[in-house]
Amino acid sequence: SQTIHQWPATLVQPVGSPLSLECTVEGTSNPNLYWYRQAAGRGLQLLFYSVGIGQISSEVPQNLSASRPQDRQFILSSKKLLLSDSGFYLCAWSAGTGAYNEQFFGPGTRLTVL
Amino acid sequence: KNQVEQSPQSLIILEGKNCTLQCNYTVSPFSNLRWYKQDTGRGPVSLTIMTFSENTKSNGRYTATLDADTKQSSLHITASQLSDSASYICVVRPTGGNNRLAFGKGNQVVVIP
Repeated sequence: SQTIHQWPATLVQPVGSPLSLECTVEGTSNPNLYWYRQAAGRGLQLLFYSVGIGQISSEVPQNLSASRPQDRQFILSSKKLLLSDSGFYLCAWSAGTGAYNEQFFGPGTRLTVL
Repeated sequence: KNQVEQSPQSLIILEGKNCTLQCNYTVSPFSNLRWYKQDTGRGPVSLTIMTFSENTKSNGRYTATLDADTKQSSLHITASQLSDSASYICVVRPTGGNNRLAFGKGNQVVVIP
């Protein structure tokens, strides 16, 4: 069966510090991978998605970047965090693009920037 | 304007009672509509999925309905349990396969004993 992991689970970082969140998927090959941010009282916002190694699409201009160094690894990074980067970050994966295609979400990382 | 609007934003219900959550969307055309349950501090988990041609789908005590003509969906929870306390998110997938899903902000449900 497929599983998706994220770490760390929680993170408190000062403004201006770097960030690296990691997501890995097990039990599937060549998944589509996604990074979302969920702010309090708001819906999930797609930040990045990737259909393959080294292929990253950015949805909104921001202070963050993503990389996919391996087929089942997706990394979210920042060189200098802003207060507005605080939120709940979710990684997700999906297989293909069929009508019933489901995105499976990881457990999330709670980021607080102080 | 958000393409997916959910109401009520939050509600409190007594254990054992039923409740209905509403989702109105403007996404068109769309390939499917999904309801997710998100426990606090966890990732969302899919409850039901309906394509544009389906009217209802059940998953245990959860029953989702879809009216593609009025662009409305509902999620009915029967005989609520304390474990139903969560945020319920309506997600619409536009036709086109670009994987850019349209998310509602969620209905926050609190079940009290």
